Amino acid sequence: QVQLQESGPGLVKPSQTLSLTCTVSGGSISSGSSYWSWIRQPAGEGLEWIGRIYTSGSTNYNPSLKSRVTISVDTSKNQFSLKLSSVTAADTAVYYCARDRHSSGWTYFDFWGQGTLVTVSS
Amino acid sequence: QSVLAQPPSVSATPGQKVTISCSGSSSNIGDNYVSWYQQLPGTAPKLLIYDNNKRPSGIPDRFSGSKSGTSATLGITGLQTGDEADYYCGTWDSSLSAVVFGGGTNLTVL
Repeated sequence: QVQLQESGPGLVKPSQTLSLTCTVSGGSISSGSSYWSWIRQPAGEGLEWIGRIYTSGSTNYNPSLKSRVTISVDTSKNQFSLKLSSVTAADTAVYYCARDRHSSGWTYFDFWGQGTLVTVSS
Repeated sequence: QSVLAQPPSVSATPGQKVTISCSGSSSNIGDNYVSWYQQLPGTAPKLLIYDNNKRPSGIPDRFSGSKSGTSATLGITGLQTGDEADYYCGTWDSSLSAVVFGGGTNLTVL
C-alpha cells in the first residue's frame, strides 16, 4: 500500500517561497506509469491542482500558478517537492501530495497524503 | 469559480438514493474520463470512482458513476450517516492543460 507524507514549514512570510516535500513509502516513486501531484485546498473551499511530475522529471503546471511553481523529484530518496514563490495570504491552504495516474484522456489520484496546513502571514 | 459545476449541497435520508451532478464542457468532461472523490470532515480526499464508472478496490458498489456528453453523475444508494461528506468531481481539461475539479457538493444524510 502506497503511503504519502507531506512535510515542511507551517508558516511562511509573505513574498517568500513555500517549500514542501512529499515522502513516498510502500513502493518506489519510479515504479509504473505514475505521476506525482500537488493539490491544495483553502479552508472551506474546493480543491485546486497545482502541478505534477513524472519520475523522468517532466512536469505539468496549472497555468494559473505556473509562473511561481517548481516541482522536482529525488528518486534516491523516494521524494518529490514543491516550491511556490512570492506567496501571499491567498496561498494559505492545506497542501496535499498525491499519486497521479495519468495518460491520454484520463487522470485520477488514487493515494493521498494526509495534508499539511501552510499559513502565509508575517 | 470552478471549471466544473456541482450543486453546493444535497440531502437525503438514510437508506435513500442520491445523485450528484458535475457539469463541464467539451474540453474537459466531454473529452476525458471523470473521477470522483469523497472528503470526510477533516480528512484528505479519497478516490471513489475513476474512468467515469470504475470503483477502486474496497469501494462498495453503493457508489456508482456515469457520464453523458459533458456531464457526469455520482450515485449513492443505501445512504448511511457515514456518507456525510464533501464530494468532488475531477478531470483533465484539454484546453487548459490542467486537472480541474468541481467546487464540491456537501452531502447531508438527515
